[in-house]
Amino acid sequence: DTAVSQTPKYLVTQMGNDKSIKCEQNLGHDTMYWYKQDSKKFLKIMFSYNNKELIINETVPNRFSPKSPDKAHLNLHINSLELGDSAVYFCASSQEFDYEQYFGPGTRLTVT
Amino acid sequence: DAKTTQPPSMDCAEGRAANLPCNHSTISGNEYVYWYRQIHSQGPQYIIHGLKNNETNEMASLIITEDRKSSTLILPHATLRDTAVYYCIVRRSGGGGADGLTFGKGTHLIIQP
Repeated sequence: DTAVSQTPKYLVTQMGNDKSIKCEQNLGHDTMYWYKQDSKKFLKIMFSYNNKELIINETVPNRFSPKSPDKAHLNLHINSLELGDSAVYFCASSQEFDYEQYFGPGTRLTVT
Repeated sequence: DAKTTQPPSMDCAEGRAANLPCNHSTISGNEYVYWYRQIHSQGPQYIIHGLKNNETNEMASLIITEDRKSSTLILPHATLRDTAVYYCIVRRSGGGGADGLTFGKGTHLIIQP
């Protein structure tokens, strides 16, 4: 039973489109995250979120927005996709902000 | 969070102990040492963490020097499936710190058959 799942696993789309990536965790955690791993394999935090606050990495363009319909889900919406958005996006969760994080399998986004 | 330094790559023979070093000379008193790894094409995986005492779990052991300026992750009997990039991360714990994990370049551990 997958702890943190993401859909889709692969996403290929054209520049200018709007797309969403879904993330669900069944661990009962109250905090979720989105990370981006670029072509050079650097992993960077994009968002941290629990029911109290959303923390946004200041380098993330406002075309990216997290949406949490409930505690088990944190979806990533991306508007007006650009070539530079091509990367692998990982969702993660933890029990409160400072405990060990559990990562999903990643979504490989390719913008053409 | 304190900065960490790791060797870019290491080799280890299958069945032997893999010892991965990490320097964190600017670590503060309330910062923990965390280890994660990322197997090719998978999400990062939590391994272990510690403050100042040595720690052991089913995956690995963590040895932290007395001055806390460096640590070593030990995989006691490495298998081919342990080939991965290993990240040493120093961060606060126990409240606050909603800034996520800061991943460096890590150490690419290659287990040789």
